[in-house]
Amino acid sequence: AQKITQTQPGMFVQEKEAVTLDCTYDTSDPSYGLFWYKQPSSGEMIFLIYQGSYDQQNATEGRYSLNFQKARKSANLVISASQLGDSAMYFCAMRELSSGGSYIPTFGRGTSLIVHP
Amino acid sequence: NAGVTQTPKFRILKIGQSMTLQCTQDMNHNYMYWYRQDPGMGLKLIYYSVGAGITDKGEVPNGYNVSRSTTEDFPLRLELAAPSQTSVYFCASTKDSTLSYEQYFGPGTRLTVT
Repeated sequence: AQKITQTQPGMFVQEKEAVTLDCTYDTSDPSYGLFWYKQPSSGEMIFLIYQGSYDQQNATEGRYSLNFQKARKSANLVISASQLGDSAMYFCAMRELSSGGSYIPTFGRGTSLIVHP
Repeated sequence: NAGVTQTPKFRILKIGQSMTLQCTQDMNHNYMYWYRQDPGMGLKLIYYSVGAGITDKGEVPNGYNVSRSTTEDFPLRLELAAPSQTSVYFCASTKDSTLSYEQYFGPGTRLTVT
């Protein structure tokens, strides 16, 4: 079974509107973390937001917020007031304890977001 | 701080050749990682290290080797390159503490094996 599932290969949004990118995860580790990264066409990986499994409140960073629903094992990224520069690939990732005793990350396949003017 | 640096940026290898991808970080991070990203896909973990002298396999280690003799450096060695190793390779590091779990990525190395 996939540890991180991003079911939307591509999403389109109008500039200035909000958009939600879906991410579901699977883990038996009670102490895990969830990340979102942005990868523009230039190729670099840019950290956006982090949510720990014990965090009571949803993480927010500027226009980015993480809608964390622990019981449903979902960690959706919400981008408010979309800008043209938000057009990129977005990856959801999870940090969990490996069998070797170290925390290692797993990435989803990504969602391509295109913002229309 | 330079962050995470990777060299080279681009490389073309012939089948059977070997090479080392260099990765250096100047943030005193304990964790370092090597990923590969195939076209249209997410990142897959090749190897990781939790500190100098300690390395472990990730999801796709076959055909690669690593070493971590210092905190700063984490080179990735490809022996007997194969076309299946054509990919973009990213190195990353993190402190992985309650202060910060963010991974810092290098700019990537685009490798083509022909």
